[in-house]
Amino acid sequence: AQSVTQLDSQVPVFEEAPVELRCNYSSSVSVYLFWYVQYPNQGLQLLLKYLSGSTLVKGINGFEAEFNKSQTSFHLRKPSVHISDTAEYFCAVNSAASGGYQKVTFGTGTKLQVIP
Amino acid sequence: DGGITQSPKYLFRKEGQNVTLSCEQNLNHDAMYWYRQDPGQGLRLIYYSQIVNDFQKGDIAEGYSVSREKKESFPLTVTSAQKNPTAFYLCASSMDRASNQPQHFGDGTRLSIL
Repeated sequence: AQSVTQLDSQVPVFEEAPVELRCNYSSSVSVYLFWYVQYPNQGLQLLLKYLSGSTLVKGINGFEAEFNKSQTSFHLRKPSVHISDTAEYFCAVNSAASGGYQKVTFGTGTKLQVIP
Repeated sequence: DGGITQSPKYLFRKEGQNVTLSCEQNLNHDAMYWYRQDPGQGLRLIYYSQIVNDFQKGDIAEGYSVSREKKESFPLTVTSAQKNPTAFYLCASSMDRASNQPQHFGDGTRLSIL
């Protein structure tokens, strides 16, 4: 079975400050990892994904994430946040289970509040 | 532009009533999904479909039903058996069933009880 933990339900940060949103996962097989962003009353939009290869993944809107297999983490970072980054962020994991369908497990989300 | 269209954006249900949420995609994706989102609980899978005329129950299928008669369409019916239907419902699709494919989401339907 796979699971995702987002320890921080809310993260306040001042505008132009750096931010890190934490995500830890568990899975007994190889994983694919995703970060999605959700603005109020909208669906989820893909920020970035890790499938294989380089452990540092760059996404849209200046976000990046680093896959750390030994720590089973996939933390999301941005060096300088903007007011428009205020949203809820979801980490998701999918595993390469043989013969299985694609079943994504989502974390419970982290609300990023950027303070002017 | 290709995407997923969910309608209506807001929906109200009376006691004992079935309601249907629409989901249409023009991405030519094989797989489609329905999720329920409640505050602080993330997304929970209701039903999914990998191909036309085939669908499977997810983690919380009780009180819901779906159909997949066309590749583009995956409507969700919330039946009167679902006693706590108030939630934000999200439809998603992916290119195929491969587990490395990201999902694309619609803008959701918010269902409330009258």
